[in-house]
Amino acid sequence: DTAVSQTPKYLVTQMGNDKSIKCEQNLGHDTMYWYKQDSKKFLKIMFSYNNKELIINETVPNRFSPKSPDKAHLNLHINSLELGDSAVYFCASSQRQDPLNEQFFGPGTRLTVL
Amino acid sequence: QKEVEQNSGPLSVPEGAIASLNCTYSDRGSQSFFWYRQYSGKSPELIMSIYSNGDKEDGRFTAQLNKASQYVSLLIRDSQPSDSATYLCAVNDYKLSFGAGTTVTVRA
Repeated sequence: DTAVSQTPKYLVTQMGNDKSIKCEQNLGHDTMYWYKQDSKKFLKIMFSYNNKELIINETVPNRFSPKSPDKAHLNLHINSLELGDSAVYFCASSQRQDPLNEQFFGPGTRLTVL
Repeated sequence: QKEVEQNSGPLSVPEGAIASLNCTYSDRGSQSFFWYRQYSGKSPELIMSIYSNGDKEDGRFTAQLNKASQYVSLLIRDSQPSDSATYLCAVNDYKLSFGAGTTVTVRA
């Protein structure tokens, strides 16, 4: 059974479009995250939600809007896509908002903006 | 200044040798440290966590932490071709801050 799942796995779209990526975890965790991995493979936090509440927003452009309908789901909506948004987006979860907790990563969504 | 820095790679080691990976971090108050392994095209996978000064061993992997020097390392003993991957050092202060990664290639 997949612990953290993301859809879609691949997303190819034109500049200016709006797209969404969905994430679900079946681990019963309270905290979920979005990370972006750029072409140089650098992995950087974007957002964190704890029990549906936004707790970290790392100065991400407001074209990116996360939404957490419940603590098992964290979706990412991106408006007016730009070429620089091309990257792999990883969702992750941890049991609690605690530095000692391990974070489990989803398989990633490779977004290509043409 | 980058928060987490790793020794630049790529690192190529012969099969059976020890691979040594190093990482420094800038926040002296950081509490927890992780090593993730990422195969090409895959997601990061946790292989070691360490919270206290000293060594922590798990199979062929040993993590070392020195908070006074703000230094974390990972040793991979008896390296196998399956260890070929990018290794990411991460510091967890309610969010994971990653280093740029070190790509390791184990030559058969």
